[in-house]
Amino acid sequence: EAGVTQSPTHLIKTRGQQVTLRCSPISGHTSVYWYQQALGLGLQFLLWYDEGEERNRGNFPPRFSGRQFPNYSSELNVNALELEDSALYLCASSPSQGQSTDTQYFGPGTRLTVL
Amino acid sequence: GDSVTQMEGPVTLSEEAFLTINCTYTATGYPSLFWYVQYPGEGLQLLLKATKADDKGSNKGFEATYRKETTSFHLEKGSVQVSDSAVYFCALRLNNQGGKLIFGQGTELSVKP
Repeated sequence: EAGVTQSPTHLIKTRGQQVTLRCSPISGHTSVYWYQQALGLGLQFLLWYDEGEERNRGNFPPRFSGRQFPNYSSELNVNALELEDSALYLCASSPSQGQSTDTQYFGPGTRLTVL
Repeated sequence: GDSVTQMEGPVTLSEEAFLTINCTYTATGYPSLFWYVQYPGEGLQLLLKATKADDKGSNKGFEATYRKETTSFHLEKGSVQVSDSAVYFCALRLNNQGGKLIFGQGTELSVKP
């Protein structure tokens, strides 16, 4: 069974630019979560999508946004990039039914560097 | 608020030593508890989990028991290997917290041959 996949692996942008990160969940999973892992700040929850709807967002400014498509894949968009947006962005998925609905399975991440 | 506290790292051990990484939590409800591991340059891998008090999660020789009375979920392994070198994250999830995992700060483990 294929795991969560993310693209691209690495990305370098400059301040003020916009970026789109992509995530494909495990087959059969309908929930997708985004987290930011910035140096010194640990893992911070960004967004949760389920069945195409945004269910919850963390304490991030509105320039962080995303969406979930009918096939349950997801995009994370970050506008007006700032230096402190440099981080590893992790996507996770979980099933909506069954015993493991509380368990999130992570992808390898996208490393974003903002210069 | 809800939070997770892990012991400070880095932890350096010799191969075959016993490992304990302490994790305590504060939660307004009854969380599910998780340990994730992150190898260098990679994402997070689920190591084990426990969903209710006194449950023991185990995987690859690692164990952790959900202790409600002490609000703890300490990770243990009887004999570590060099390949266990990684960063370990303790996390909790509450059903009424909008799906998110709340992570501890991570504990770096380095195992020397």
